Amino acid sequence: DTAVSQTPKYLVTQMGNDKSIKCEQNLGHDTMYWYKQDSKKFLKIMFSYNNKELIINETVPNRFSPKSPDKAHLNLHINSLELGDSAVYFCASSLHPQETQYFGPGTRLLVL
Amino acid sequence: SQKIEQNSEALNIQEGKTATLTCNYTNYSPAYLQWYRQDPGRGPVFLLLIRENEKEKRKERLKVTFDTTLKQSLFHITASQPADSATYLCALRKRAGNTPLVFGKGTRLSVIA
Repeated sequence: DTAVSQTPKYLVTQMGNDKSIKCEQNLGHDTMYWYKQDSKKFLKIMFSYNNKELIINETVPNRFSPKSPDKAHLNLHINSLELGDSAVYFCASSLHPQETQYFGPGTRLLVL
Repeated sequence: SQKIEQNSEALNIQEGKTATLTCNYTNYSPAYLQWYRQDPGRGPVFLLLIRENEKEKRKERLKVTFDTTLKQSLFHITASQPADSATYLCALRKRAGNTPLVFGKGTRLSVIA
């Protein structure tokens, strides 16, 4: 009965590889988000989708491409991974864009 | 430049005391401010929301105040317990449009038995 789930939980990969992280929510929410939490623990918004449409895109390199196949899913694809991409990536959802957000457990990405 | 600062990176208090965490912001006009709790290895969990026209909000042992003149929110946990040990994040949203929620760095609270 997990509300917001992410896969994988851990991801270790080499520089230059392409990887994807998946997110699913079963809360019936319209809005989904991707956040990055770096080693200094700052949690920063990357993207937000509402009803499958991109509404927030915060100065994220083009190597990051979100995809929302339906309202319940928001996946994150990262091309040409760099060392600086190592972080914890959190997915979140909310009923509408201005509502309280519910976070997933995070995906720990380590780029070697 | 716009900033959200949670003044203490870490705060240690004795069990049973009131923990007070501070969130200050500059160059924002927030529509509301939220407090989240984050445990190690987990995602943040929403605790309380306070709007710009509200002074105080309570939920069980939690109390949040919001002073838009001082540009400050205080988060209190009364009768603190070791289980309250976690990192607490404040986050604010600006008034207009589809603006993102902006988070502070968090304060790591340790309640010592």
